[in-house]
Amino acid sequence: GQQLNQSPQSMFIQEGEDVSMNCTSSSIFNTWLWYKQDPGEGPVLLIALYKAGELTSNGRLTAQFGITRKDSFLNISASIPSDVGIYFCAGQLTPAGNNRKLIWGLGTSLAVNP
Amino acid sequence: KAGVTQTPRYLIKTRGQQVTLSCSPISGHRSVSWYQQTPGQGLQFLFEYFSETQRNKGNFPGRFSGRQFSNSRSEMNVSTLELGDSALYLCASSLGQLSGNTIYFGEGSWLTVV
Repeated sequence: GQQLNQSPQSMFIQEGEDVSMNCTSSSIFNTWLWYKQDPGEGPVLLIALYKAGELTSNGRLTAQFGITRKDSFLNISASIPSDVGIYFCAGQLTPAGNNRKLIWGLGTSLAVNP
Repeated sequence: KAGVTQTPRYLIKTRGQQVTLSCSPISGHRSVSWYQQTPGQGLQFLFEYFSETQRNKGNFPGRFSGRQFSNSRSEMNVSTLELGDSALYLCASSLGQLSGNTIYFGEGSWLTVV
């Protein structure tokens, strides 16, 4: 099925470093969502973006909805060990018929070296 | 407010058997969707139910089926299990199907087929 291009696929960083990841698509979305999944758990919503150009923060996390509506990025500042996990982006379409369709990236696996 | 509850959390089945997984959405949420997650494959959409009706379906064989009850609880069933069905099965709920309604995941059901 459809998937977003999420990059990088994995990252290994030192504690305290900033992290940046992004998702791109050839399709236009009306919502972008960012989730984090801890090992053995379900994904947890981090940030939801609803408007092109929107920049939203959640603590040390900041995400932006690209103005073309085809991309989004997530930044994590001053990383800490508990930031370890897999980060997923998801773009939401609402095609004709009002049946929402959510398209997922393959995830960015983040490892933080204390 | 209780989150999305999935049962069982872990189960082991043998090839050829069938399995039923259960999901109780967040109170008030009427939309339930199911995903299969395997290493390296990200989240693969199975189907979405809203008001007891299947509204969206992913590209999975007919062995995968689901249903939703009047209280919004949902079940998914996999018949004639294959080794490749081993995965984490995630349920997610949201208020409705309209654009902008973000989804919230349960912790998942780990299925191992031997």
